[in-house]
Amino acid sequence: TQLLEQSPQFLSIQEGENLTVYCNSSSVFSSLQWYRQEPGEGPVLLVTVVTGGEVKKLKRLTFQFGDARKDSSLHITAAQPGDTGLYLCAGAGRGSTLGRLYFGRGTQLTVWP
Amino acid sequence: DTAVSQTPKYLVTQMGNDKSIKCEQNLGHDTMYWYKQDSKKFLKIMFSYNNKELIINETVPNRFSPKSPDKAHLNLHINSLELGDSAVYFCASSQTPSAGNTIYFGEGSWLTVV
Repeated sequence: TQLLEQSPQFLSIQEGENLTVYCNSSSVFSSLQWYRQEPGEGPVLLVTVVTGGEVKKLKRLTFQFGDARKDSSLHITAAQPGDTGLYLCAGAGRGSTLGRLYFGRGTQLTVWP
Repeated sequence: DTAVSQTPKYLVTQMGNDKSIKCEQNLGHDTMYWYKQDSKKFLKIMFSYNNKELIINETVPNRFSPKSPDKAHLNLHINSLELGDSAVYFCASSQTPSAGNTIYFGEGSWLTVV
């Protein structure tokens, strides 16, 4: 089993603060994906990072893939209440595990106005 | 138009019953999945089908039987439901798996076994 450790599990901050969510594993993945899930809905893809060391920016969100393709981080600048949700990282298997997504346990982010 | 749709959204049933959850995708994908999310929000793959053929079966009890009549549909039938089967079940689809391909999830089916 390829495990992804995601931290922190819960994060409660004030509007305007910055935050970072971490996703770590001892396994190498073909890609690392970040999802956001709202209550009562399915996960929605935010970004996919494929190349070791890759950095992608999506407005106030910055995603980074580790050089060894084992870990990733999500940084949010100047968080807003609309950023509240469950953030999930998922590693895509490779070789014999291609097609599998291995999810972390999620970070529940709450941003207070 | 909903890309991946699953029904029912909510299902409450008694232990021992048999129930089905249906899933359809209109994205033209050839691969479909069933994921289970437990009460602690942990998402884990159960099955994957590619062009109606089973390619992933993640040690799921054989009370769970997926059926894919065509590549746009993947239904999940559960026999002899148990309390521990209570969870949210997500259907998903993608193109043939490759590094970096996007998986699209449905809105989930909330199953409660009482």
